[in-house]
Amino acid sequence: DAGVTQSPTHLIKTRGQQVTLRCSPKSGHDTVSWYQQALGQGPQFIFQYYEEEERQRGNFPDRFSGHQFPNYSSELNVNALLLGDSALYLCASSREDRGIQFLGNTIYFGEGSWLTVV
Amino acid sequence: AQSVTQLGSHVSVSEGALVLLRCNYSSSVPPYLFWYVQYPNQGLQLLLKYTSAATLVKGINGFEAEFKKSETSFHLTKPSAHMSDAAEYFCAVLLNTGTASKLTFGTGTRLQVTL
Repeated sequence: DAGVTQSPTHLIKTRGQQVTLRCSPKSGHDTVSWYQQALGQGPQFIFQYYEEEERQRGNFPDRFSGHQFPNYSSELNVNALLLGDSALYLCASSREDRGIQFLGNTIYFGEGSWLTVV
Repeated sequence: AQSVTQLGSHVSVSEGALVLLRCNYSSSVPPYLFWYVQYPNQGLQLLLKYTSAATLVKGINGFEAEFKKSETSFHLTKPSAHMSDAAEYFCAVLLNTGTASKLTFGTGTRLQVTL
């Protein structure tokens, strides 16, 4: 049973460029969240997708956008990259049943995508 | 707002010694609490979770945590540290906004295990 998979694992971008990060959730999971972890910090919630819609966003600018596909996989897009966007981007998946949130359901994280902006 | 505070950004113990990593929470509703571990250059791995069942929660790798409402604490312990326990540990609380659920993490505690 594959866990949460993310790609790419590492990438380097230049300021002003755009980046797309990808995530496949754990089998059976339908909810995907994205977190940003800056060096020496705890992960910060970016947004969450369920049924192909963004339903919660953290304190991140509109440069950060995402998408969820019918197969539950997800993309995180960041436009106009800034040096401060350099971080580990983590994807997390969980399962909900008929829209009812089972808060006890375990949230699984991927290995992350390391983004360096130069 | 729900939040967690981890006391001590760095903890150093000798191999075989007791590990105690502190986490205090703030929540207006009964919290769902988690401990995650992050090894160097890796993602987050769930150690254990508290979801209002037993107050003493046992996790993987010999770790356990006790939920104490009176102290608003959820400290992580392990009786005997092993070199392989050296990692960053994060306490987190799950916030349910009604439309989504998100984890709010503490700033982390780096555990060093020495010979």
